[in-house]
Amino acid sequence: DAKTTQPTSMDCAEGRAANLPCNHSTISGNEYVYWYRQIHSQGPQYIIHGLKNNETNEMASLIITEDRKSSTLILPHATLRDTAVYYCIVSKTSYDKVIFGPGTSLSVIP
Amino acid sequence: DTGVSQNPRHKITKRGQNVTFRCDPISEHNRLYWYRQTLGQGPEFLTYFQNEAQLEKSRLLSDRFSAERPKGSFSTLEIQRTEQGDSAMYLCASSARTSGTGELFFGEGSRLTVL
Repeated sequence: DAKTTQPTSMDCAEGRAANLPCNHSTISGNEYVYWYRQIHSQGPQYIIHGLKNNETNEMASLIITEDRKSSTLILPHATLRDTAVYYCIVSKTSYDKVIFGPGTSLSVIP
Repeated sequence: DTGVSQNPRHKITKRGQNVTFRCDPISEHNRLYWYRQTLGQGPEFLTYFQNEAQLEKSRLLSDRFSAERPKGSFSTLEIQRTEQGDSAMYLCASSARTSGTGELFFGEGSRLTVL
């Protein structure tokens, strides 16, 4: 599976959009981009995933560049409850094991 | 609650003792995964099952660790002769091919402290 690179930490003001970048320059054509988040002392939670096209759900939007070498997770109106570690993962299939990196620690500031 | 359930949530044990964790996945999820997480790190893959078959074990998983899923439903993770380095959060997740998004559903984890 391709590796991903994310910033170690980010801050975001409450109510503003949080844009979390991820680089996956070695991604192959059949690999999906998944995003999970982990709030302190809880198990990781799925957010969104995509293959080529941009995706949006009730939690977030996922923007994947045309060359698929990077992506951005967007939380449109960050709240204090969005403070968490966000993991960007590349996986060949929807049901394969998921390999987590260190992720990005997002702090939403009042 | 129909989510992934893990027990016990917390376990404190002395070095050298054996411990066992149980995971009850979401009903009808055919895949079950075990991860370990230490402070400040992302979850580390340990092993996973499809139904009762153990498909893969991480090479980081020592012989002291064993996992089973005897009837393809709940799973147990046993650690024999615990060491202080085994102190961590042990996370279980499940997934199903019938799930449209294919994501993993995680439990709240079992925290192990080895004294």
